[in-house]
Amino acid sequence: KQEVTQIPAALSVPEGENLVLNCSFTDSAIYNLQWFRQDPGKGLTSLLLIQSSQREQTSGRLNASLDKSSGRSTLYIAASQPGDSATYLCAEEVGFQKLVFGTGTRLLVSP
Amino acid sequence: GAVVSQHPSWVICKSGTSVKIECRSLDFQATTMFWYRQFPKQSLMLMATSNEGSKATYEQGVEKDKFLINHASLTLSTLTVTSAHPEDSSFYICSAILTRLGIQYFGAGTRLSVL
Repeated sequence: KQEVTQIPAALSVPEGENLVLNCSFTDSAIYNLQWFRQDPGKGLTSLLLIQSSQREQTSGRLNASLDKSSGRSTLYIAASQPGDSATYLCAEEVGFQKLVFGTGTRLLVSP
Repeated sequence: GAVVSQHPSWVICKSGTSVKIECRSLDFQATTMFWYRQFPKQSLMLMATSNEGSKATYEQGVEKDKFLINHASLTLSTLTVTSAHPEDSSFYICSAILTRLGIQYFGAGTRLSVL
């Protein structure tokens, strides 16, 4: 059974800090790894998608890496802002668009 | 970008009643939609894959007779929680695949509270 674990479960940082969110997965035969953002009362927003053949993806202040051999992915957020406060979910695609989600990291960036 | 609408966003019902949740792809056709469930402080769990014009595929442990899924058109899938009980209280989220791009778009979710 595929499992996806995220550490830490919650994180509180002051504005401007760089931070790293961790995701580990048990199934190395993944199609891809995605990072999502979930805001209260809203759906999921896809942030970054890393194909299984790739090692990292970047979008603005976000950088995600993928290490299939160790079963780990990290999401790096540079110069955090209060607007980054949300729950961040990683998910591995284990079949056609079938996603196994992690438990999430609740991020709070204080002004 | 593509939009997936879910309705209602929040529903409260009495134990034993049935509740229907709608998932619509507003500006694209989706042959495949997914239904997820999320309990507090837990991850999203895939419940079933909804395929237009055919029966849904349920994940292990999900009761197909309790969670009825209908995907009668390319833009609408419905999830009906039959004879709901308090343990069915959860956050239900749907997603739809924009096939030509291979991208999955998510609805805003429905919070179900069964009294």
